[in-house]
Amino acid sequence: KNQVEQSPQSLIILEGKNCTLQCNYTVSPFSNLRWYKQDTGRGPVSLTIMTFSENTKSNGRYTATLDADTKQSSLHITASQLSDSASYICVVSPTGGSYIPTFGRGTSLIVHP
Amino acid sequence: DTEVTQTPKHLVMGMTNKKSLKCEQHMGHRAMYWYKQKAKKPPELMFVYSYEKLSINESVPSRFSPECPNSSLLNLHLHALQPEDSALYLCASSQGLERNTEAFFGQGTRLTVV
Repeated sequence: KNQVEQSPQSLIILEGKNCTLQCNYTVSPFSNLRWYKQDTGRGPVSLTIMTFSENTKSNGRYTATLDADTKQSSLHITASQLSDSASYICVVSPTGGSYIPTFGRGTSLIVHP
Repeated sequence: DTEVTQTPKHLVMGMTNKKSLKCEQHMGHRAMYWYKQKAKKPPELMFVYSYEKLSINESVPSRFSPECPNSSLLNLHLHALQPEDSALYLCASSQGLERNTEAFFGQGTRLTVV
């Protein structure tokens, strides 16, 4: 069964600090992994998308890594801002078949001043 | 234009009402999706349209009826809903099911069934 596990479930940090969110998956065969940021009551916004051959991808203060061998990904947020408070969702899509993506349950990040 | 537009933003309906949610994108995407999201849970896939044809129906009750009038529009018709159907309904689109491209989400419709 395809699964995406995220940790931690929630995280509280001070403004200006860095943090790293984890995503482990069992989706196979693997097509791509995406990180989304979702504010409460809003639609998810894409941060990065990574395919099998990509190890690192950055989008401003967000840097995602992918280890396709160990089926792990991380999202590193640098110099956090209050506006980074949101849920961060890892989504993994298979190749072939139905292409239905599997969503993680998300990490809830709260940035305090 | 990288927007997926959903209307209305909020909807309150009774259990005997008929209403429709609308979704529109002008990115030339050929795959469009409906998701349902309950509070503090990840989005759950409901339907997938590929090239205007229903490709995936994740065993959704018949009180939810999707429609894809053309490649830019996706509707979700609602009839005889239950209070437990109250949720955030998200529409998304991507270039195609088989492409390694991003899926863009709309801002959602917050549905309350009373």
